[in-house]
Amino acid sequence: EVQLLESGGGLVQPGGSLRLSCAASGFTFSSYAMSWVRQAPGKGLEWVSAISGSGGSTYYADSVKGRFTISRDNSKNTLYLQMNSLRAEDTAVYYCAKDGTSGSYPYWYFDLWGRGTLVTVSS
Amino acid sequence: QSALTQPASVSGSPGQSITISCTGTSSDVGGYNYVSWYQQHPGKAPKLMIYEVSNRPSGVSNRFSGSKSGNTASLTISGLQAEDEADYYCSSYTSSSTYVVFGGGTKLTVL
Repeated sequence: EVQLLESGGGLVQPGGSLRLSCAASGFTFSSYAMSWVRQAPGKGLEWVSAISGSGGSTYYADSVKGRFTISRDNSKNTLYLQMNSLRAEDTAVYYCAKDGTSGSYPYWYFDLWGRGTLVTVSS
Repeated sequence: QSALTQPASVSGSPGQSITISCTGTSSDVGGYNYVSWYQQHPGKAPKLMIYEVSNRPSGVSNRFSGSKSGNTASLTISGLQAEDEADYYCSSYTSSSTYVVFGGGTKLTVL
């Protein structure tokens, strides 16, 4: 079955760190760029970060640049998001999303989404 | 404030057609054909409905169509059905340093 399954969310204090994981199955993981997209409670979608299929190129939204790091392990079919210096405004459901077209670089649309994992930043 | 502007809400009766607009700039919607649309039901993950302005993924009803004119993209849903009631988001690649921008979302109510 083609699916994405996020894990690693939870409650963390401001300034703390958290690492999210996304396990992929049912498709050739290394052939697709992957992204993280978040949604604050009751709010809209916000793209966070993307990584090329090989992992050699990474992309970040201005709001997380310098604090978050995206990576992937193609041998484990897993995507990661290391989140440091967390702020209250980072509180959101974080979705893992697969690029819609295979290729060396992102095509900037997402045809498969996970169920999401909730990150709450609060003291 | 979202980078792309969508109406907060639209409504229509079963069988009718509605259109949701998504207005950006020449740096995003107007400059690239990387506009996509997503449907999100409460508590669920988003679902891709349209990509690259007007392409429909396999499995998505042909009642859904997309278009673009200048800096404004549009999603049209014809033959409204009760299950179409959801939030809809547009998205575009942008030449700014943030790569991808979303609209604020439009809540569709089927009366």
